[in-house]
Parts: sequence; C-alpha cells; structure tokens
Amino acid sequence: DADVTQTPRNRITKTGKRIMLECSQTKGHDRMYWYRQDPGLGLRLIYYSFDVKDINKGEISDGYSVSRQAQAKFSLSLESAIPNQTALYFCATSDFKGVSGELFFGEGSRLTVL
Amino acid sequence: RKEVEQDPGPFNVPEGATVAFNCTYSNSASQSFFWYRQDCRKEPKLLMSVYSSGNEDGRFTAQLNRASQYISLLIRDSKLSDSATYLCVVRSNQAGTALIFGKGTTLSVSS
Repeated sequence: DADVTQTPRNRITKTGKRIMLECSQTKGHDRMYWYRQDPGLGLRLIYYSFDVKDINKGEISDGYSVSRQAQAKFSLSLESAIPNQTALYFCATSDFKGVSGELFFGEGSRLTVL
Repeated sequence: RKEVEQDPGPFNVPEGATVAFNCTYSNSASQSFFWYRQDCRKEPKLLMSVYSSGNEDGRFTAQLNRASQYISLLIRDSKLSDSATYLCVVRSNQAGTALIFGKGTTLSVSS
C-alpha cells in the first residue's frame, strides 16, 4: 500500500460544486502539503501544515481551504469549483527533523471542472 | 522574478550523451537544494540533494554555486530510462518555509 494516499484519483465535476480531496499518510510525518500542477506552470503550493491544526497559505491559496484534524490526514476543499481549478493535485508529506528535504508525494488527484 | 527558474527544454539527446540542466534561484537566504524527477503522469520523486561541495550519485552530478545562486545537474551516459522531467527545488532556512519547485526541464533520450 502507498505511504501517501489520495482520494479520489480522478474526479469530474461541474462549476459551482463543492469538492473535497482527501490525503492520508502512514509515514508518521508532521508536515503535509497540497500542490497543484498545471502544464507549463509546474508545481505550485496551495497550503501546508506543520502540525495538527496548523495551517499556512501557500502561493495560490485563493479559492481553496484545508483541514488538518489529525496528523495523518490533510484534506483540500474547493468550496465552489471553477474551470481554472482543473489541474493535477498532489498531496505530500515530509519530516524536517533531519536535514533531508525529501517530500513524499501521493499519486495525484486529477480534477476536471466543467 | 520567479523564485526558481529552469530552462524548460525539451532536451532531446541520444543514448550515451552527456546533458546538463541549469537552475537559478532568487532568494539568497535559500539553504537547501534538491533535484526531483517526475515521470509522465506520475508523482515527483527525490533524485538527489545538492550540497555546497557538489555531489555525485552514479551517473548524476549536482553542483551548487551560492555566489551566482545557481544549481546544476549533469547526467552522463544517458539511458532511455532517464527520459523524464527534472525539477529543481529550493528551501529557505527560514522557519515554516515549504519547498519551492521550478517548472521543470524535460529530457528525452532516444536510441
């Protein structure tokens, strides 16, 4: 089983709908992230959390919200989806207690907003 | 200026070639540097960290020039399996800062 699991893996929805992407991890890491990836724009940070209840905005947080109620889970919500939120979304975890900068990514959630 | 900039490529090279990718970063306070690899439609994975003295892992060599705020990745004896997108990644040492990704450089190795 994957250490970082994202659900759903694929989702097609309509403009205005509320969408939640879930992420769970078994690595025991404190830090969790949500990135989105668009062709030509690379990976951009949406939100990140360094501990339960800790929430930090990333580069492109507008239109998104997150929840970190447990160490292992970090969910991303789109309250009212719009077409330009069509993208590939990645959840990631890390443990910065050492010097390693390694992020461990989930397999991605492909969201299409019609 | 974007925090992390890379030449997007694509770089198209034959098997056995040596290829180099460059990356520049704008935040002089950045302390940690990495190269990630991303295969098509897959998640990024850490390829190697980049240390001040430079470091090598098999056919891959990473270099850091702090004065120029420049990072490089050299791949020797390219293999077909090296075809992927290579992401330059930077982290500031400031508390609470996440990793910032470049847009990536695409490499295609052909036989």
